[in-house]
Amino acid sequence: NAGVTQTPKFRILKIGQSMTLQCTQDMNHNYMYWYRQDPGMGLKLIYYSVGAGITDKGEVPNGYNVSRSTTEDFPLRLELAAPSQTSVYFCASRGLGTDTQYFGPGTRLTVL
Amino acid sequence: AQSVSQHNHHVILSEAASLELGCNYSYGGTVNLFWYVQYPGQHLQLLLKYFSGDPLVKGIKGFEAEFIKSKFSFNLRKPSVQWSDTAEYFCAPRPIPQRFGAGTRLTVKP
Repeated sequence: NAGVTQTPKFRILKIGQSMTLQCTQDMNHNYMYWYRQDPGMGLKLIYYSVGAGITDKGEVPNGYNVSRSTTEDFPLRLELAAPSQTSVYFCASRGLGTDTQYFGPGTRLTVL
Repeated sequence: AQSVSQHNHHVILSEAASLELGCNYSYGGTVNLFWYVQYPGQHLQLLLKYFSGDPLVKGIKGFEAEFIKSKFSFNLRKPSVQWSDTAEYFCAPRPIPQRFGAGTRLTVKP
């Protein structure tokens, strides 16, 4: 049982490039979340999903897209990277009827 | 409006000092309350949680938190901190989607 895994761990992008941050959980959790963590700003919710095929915007969705074609995977897509998207990104999941989120190790993204 | 605030951005303590980190929230309905901890270089882990019942909840590593409904607060405490408690602490009241406070960085000097 690996829990929540994220790839890559680190990435440097040029302005305007695109990339996908991968997130996979093997706990059969219905709920999945993407957060970004900026220094002194805490965690901000980007997108979340309550199940396969269902996603919704969080607090800071602009510049990102998500999909949830399977229960296990919840990739986050950056289409046109901007310096403001330099951050650490965390994926999390939560089981139906439970209240604890489990977090992945994070992806540190730098946009230059 | 739903919000959560942590009053202390950076707390510096010596070992064996007592700790209290403040957390206040603003929600209209029933909340479940969480504290998460992020040790340097690691990802977020659950420290403790409150759903109902005894408002004083105990978590891992000697941490506890008290839910005071009238004050909309869920402050984190530890009687005697250790150097290994150096981390960032996040308060998170929930319903969906989960909101997190801005975090409090705790530095414990040996």
